[in-house]
Amino acid sequence: GENVEQHPSTLSVQEGDSAVIKCTYSDSASNYFPWYKQELGKGPQLIIDIRSNVGEKKDQRIAVTLNKTAKHFSLHITETQPEDSAVYFCAAHFGAGSYQLTFGKGTKLSVIP
Amino acid sequence: GAVVSQHPSRVICKSGTSVKIECRSLDFQATTMFWYRQFPKQSLMLMATSNEGSKATYEQGVEKDKFLINHASLTLSTLTVTSAHPEDSSFYICSARRGTGELFFGEGSRLTVL
Repeated sequence: GENVEQHPSTLSVQEGDSAVIKCTYSDSASNYFPWYKQELGKGPQLIIDIRSNVGEKKDQRIAVTLNKTAKHFSLHITETQPEDSAVYFCAAHFGAGSYQLTFGKGTKLSVIP
Repeated sequence: GAVVSQHPSRVICKSGTSVKIECRSLDFQATTMFWYRQFPKQSLMLMATSNEGSKATYEQGVEKDKFLINHASLTLSTLTVTSAHPEDSSFYICSARRGTGELFFGEGSRLTVL
């Protein structure tokens, strides 16, 4: 099955700096890669996703890049703000039809004011 | 964006009782919903895939008779934790698939079994 590795597990940045979280996946057939933000005590919120036919996607301060050859994808947050502090999960599509996702172990991002 | 509603958000029950958690897709039809369990400071663990009108598919190690899943309509899936015990205390989260693959999550349900 699919295996998703996520790094780092914790990340602290100063407000205004950029944050980068990286994930690698094992199944070359995976074709959908979403990123989720989870605040304490809440469910994950989809913040951006990318499909395998695209190399980069941007939405305001958030961007995701995908390198299919190397099987890794990254989340980039620019001009970080304290409200960006949360746990971020990457995921990769695994399993034809049912659209199951395999999640990374998460990155706790802390933005220091 | 799409909204998935989960209820209740918190529930406390006595050991041996059953608890039902509902997951609703409010603005789209979801033929497939997923149920996860999340332990503190850990990632989401897929428990089962819920398919409208058919039996759920459980992940290895998940007890079917303890975690009953019903997906009776295109907008509602329910998870019933039967004969709950303290070790079942956890954060349960559902997600619903919209269209070609986007997954949206509910707000989660914190179950505490005394």
